[in-house]
Amino acid sequence: EAGVVQSPRYKIIEKKQPVAFWCNPISGHNTLYWYRQNLGQGPELLIRYENEEAVDDSQLPKDRFSAERLKGVDSTLKIQPAELGDSAVYLCASSQGGRREQFFGPGTRLTVL
Amino acid sequence: GESVGLHLPTLSVQEGDNSIINCAYSNSASDYFIWYKQESGKGPQFIIDIRSNMDKRQGQRVTVLLNKTVKHLSLQIAATQPGDSAVYFCAENTGTASKLTFGTGTRLQVTL
Repeated sequence: EAGVVQSPRYKIIEKKQPVAFWCNPISGHNTLYWYRQNLGQGPELLIRYENEEAVDDSQLPKDRFSAERLKGVDSTLKIQPAELGDSAVYLCASSQGGRREQFFGPGTRLTVL
Repeated sequence: GESVGLHLPTLSVQEGDNSIINCAYSNSASDYFIWYKQESGKGPQFIIDIRSNMDKRQGQRVTVLLNKTVKHLSLQIAATQPGDSAVYFCAENTGTASKLTFGTGTRLQVTL
């Protein structure tokens, strides 16, 4: 069974440009998470979806970040405009309904110049 | 706020020795804990989990110990191999909210 898929793996952009990340969770996993991981630190939750509903977006900087999961499967995380401090690895994870273990994708490493 | 932390940022062990990675948590309401392994350029990989109604759980070459009295979690790796070199994170979860709080991580270096 395929794991969590993310693309692109790497992205380099100039500040003030927009950027988008895509995630395909493990088949059958209805819960999807986006995390941000700064260098040398643990992942920090940005948003959590239960199917297509965002049930926890309290840590998402809503002035520039947005996310969607229109059909309850794939998800996109967008930043517009990007700032230098947004450089980090953006991780997507998924879990099966009723289970707490989360499985992570490889992440997208974003560099903002 | 309450958080999960690690005592040692870097741990160096010889191949074949046992490794012990420690983690302190401060939220006494946390009832579920996970250890993840993260290799360079990869996402965190699930290793083992434990619920608060247990004090020990074993997997293949790994054992997690939970001491709720002192709010301490440890990961023991038997016969450490070069492939075990990575950063290890503990994470805690409270209730059914499915929100994991991660610590900073411990880098495990395996020397030959």
